[in-house]
Amino acid sequence: GAVVSQHPSWVICKSGTSVKIECRSLDFQATTMFWYRQFPKQSLMLMATSNEGSKATYEQGVEKDKFLINHASLTLSTLTVTSAHPEDSSFYICSAALDGETYEQYFGPGTRLTVT
Amino acid sequence: GQSLEQPSEVTAVEGAIVQINCTYQTSGFYGLSWYQQHDGGAPTFLSYNALDGLEETGRFSSFLSRSDSYGYLLLQELQMKDSASYFCAVNRDKIIFGKGTRLHILP
Repeated sequence: GAVVSQHPSWVICKSGTSVKIECRSLDFQATTMFWYRQFPKQSLMLMATSNEGSKATYEQGVEKDKFLINHASLTLSTLTVTSAHPEDSSFYICSAALDGETYEQYFGPGTRLTVT
Repeated sequence: GQSLEQPSEVTAVEGAIVQINCTYQTSGFYGLSWYQQHDGGAPTFLSYNALDGLEETGRFSSFLSRSDSYGYLLLQELQMKDSASYFCAVNRDKIIFGKGTRLHILP
């Protein structure tokens, strides 16, 4: 149990376009999901906390108008990278916690975004 | 603010025991988690300590001392498949990850 999926697993887009990444909890409901960004051989940087039915909470330094998060249901959160630039190229990972226990999070497989 | 410190790399021999230390500074601390991440993969949850002491899960154990703001992950009977990055993470209303320790295992 506790499986989180992400789609797509990788995407290449042109500079200036927008990309949507989906995160789904397959066998449990998640009122809260988290979005992370990870550069090669570096740590996971929390971008935002996605709350079902309400606005996402963004970490300091993360542009909420550039990284749009929508948590429309208890099993789906989406991250849209708007007007993508090459510096947005990264590994984006989502996670969800069971029963709101944030210490044990289940991660999706990640999405590799390359902006050309 | 918060910060977590862990060694960037550790090398050990197959079959041996290795300890990865983590010190932290944070407000609103609930507990310390440990995650494993293989190259190109997603992090997977290993262990969590909310209280002082040792938690054991198979070959992996994790320890926490809240008074010292210190914890460690202990891996026993190392196997080649344990080669990965290990992150300590402070649990609050969200999780803040350390920079990770890359574990190299020699045959």
